[in-house]
Amino acid sequence: KNQVEQSPQSLIILEGKNCTLQCNYTVSPFSNLRWYKQDTGRGPVSLTIMTFSENTKSNGRYTATLDADTKQSSLHITASQLSDSASYICVVTLRRAAGNKLTFGGGTRVLVKP
Amino acid sequence: KAGVTQTPRYLIKTRGQQVTLSCSPISGHRSVSWYQQTPGQGLQFLFEYFSETQRNKGNFPGRFSGRQFSNSRSEMNVSTLELGDSALYLCASSHSGIDPTSYNEQFFGPGTRLTVL
Repeated sequence: KNQVEQSPQSLIILEGKNCTLQCNYTVSPFSNLRWYKQDTGRGPVSLTIMTFSENTKSNGRYTATLDADTKQSSLHITASQLSDSASYICVVTLRRAAGNKLTFGGGTRVLVKP
Repeated sequence: KAGVTQTPRYLIKTRGQQVTLSCSPISGHRSVSWYQQTPGQGLQFLFEYFSETQRNKGNFPGRFSGRQFSNSRSEMNVSTLELGDSALYLCASSHSGIDPTSYNEQFFGPGTRLTVL
């Protein structure tokens, strides 16, 4: 079964500290992996996208890594800010002849405290 | 450029009723996808429309249906509502399809919060 598992489910960090979120997937064949940030009450916003051949992608203080061999990805947040409080969702695109399919992880809820 | 808009933002219905949600994509985008988001199941793909045709479909019962108009606006309908249909329904638009490469990014709307009593 194609799945995307994220850990931890929730995380509390102090402002200014770093944190790392994990995403493990069994989706195959894999097309690409994207990290989204979703603020409460709003739609998800794309942070990074990586294809099979990419190992790392940065977007400001957000850095995503991908190990296609172990099927693991991580999202690292550097020098966290209060505005980083949100849910972070890992999404893997499954490549199918009948049309690509997105498989979503359950998300990690991050709370940044002052 | 205006973003994806969804109406209404909030909706309360009772079991057995039906509901229609609306999504206006970003101008020039031809693909509209619908998702259901619940605390227990997370984000789940409902279906995708491209040029007025359903191109991809998730694993939802036939009570969930949709359509797309010639101006790319899309509607989603849920008939015979159940308590479990309470969720945030998100719409996303992209230029050409459901494979979100960097050249074909999906942009999400704010969602419609549906509560079924």
